[in-house]
Amino acid sequence: DAGVTQSPTHLIKTRGQHVTLRCSPISGHKSVSWYQQVLGQGPQFIFQYYEKEERGRGNFPDRFSARQFPNYSSELNVNALLLGDSALYLCASSLLVAGGRETQYFGPGTRLLVL
Amino acid sequence: QKEVEQDPGPLSVPEGAIVSLNCTYSNSAFQYFMWYRQYSRKGPELLMYTYSSGNKEDGRFTAQVDKSSKYISLFIRDSQPSDSATYLCAMSANRGSTLGRLYFGRGTQLTVWP
Repeated sequence: DAGVTQSPTHLIKTRGQHVTLRCSPISGHKSVSWYQQVLGQGPQFIFQYYEKEERGRGNFPDRFSARQFPNYSSELNVNALLLGDSALYLCASSLLVAGGRETQYFGPGTRLLVL
Repeated sequence: QKEVEQDPGPLSVPEGAIVSLNCTYSNSAFQYFMWYRQYSRKGPELLMYTYSSGNKEDGRFTAQVDKSSKYISLFIRDSQPSDSATYLCAMSANRGSTLGRLYFGRGTQLTVWP
């Protein structure tokens, strides 16, 4: 079975531009989460979507938005890019079970460089 | 104070050594604990997952959780050069508004030399 896939793998943008990152979850997984990982740090939670509804949001500005499609794939959009948005953007998919227990599986990430 | 603290290292050991990696946390709502391995410029790969205090073993890896001390560990026995990577601890709560959100340590960079 295919794991979590993300596209593109690399992206270079300039300040003020907009970017869209895409993620396809593992087959059968209905939850997708997005994380930002700055070099030398652990991933930071941005969003989680379950069944096309936003389930959680981290401490990120409104320039960051996301959505989930009927096939459970997801997009992360970032407007008005800043130099500090340069990071590895990770998508994780999970299967929610009773009691809130879930295991998140990560994709390879999209490396974004903002110049 | 960050919710999850992890010494970034770097940690360098010879092949065959026992490696001990640790994290501490402050939020008593954390109930699920994970260790991920991340090779350079790749996504994190799930190694171990536990939701209770005590030990969980999987091959050369042992995860240990002490909820009373808010302290988790990962032990790697007979370490191999292929274990060279960054190890991330992660944890999550089982209730409330942060349900499903993973909180990560900053990762410990491990090098195992032949």
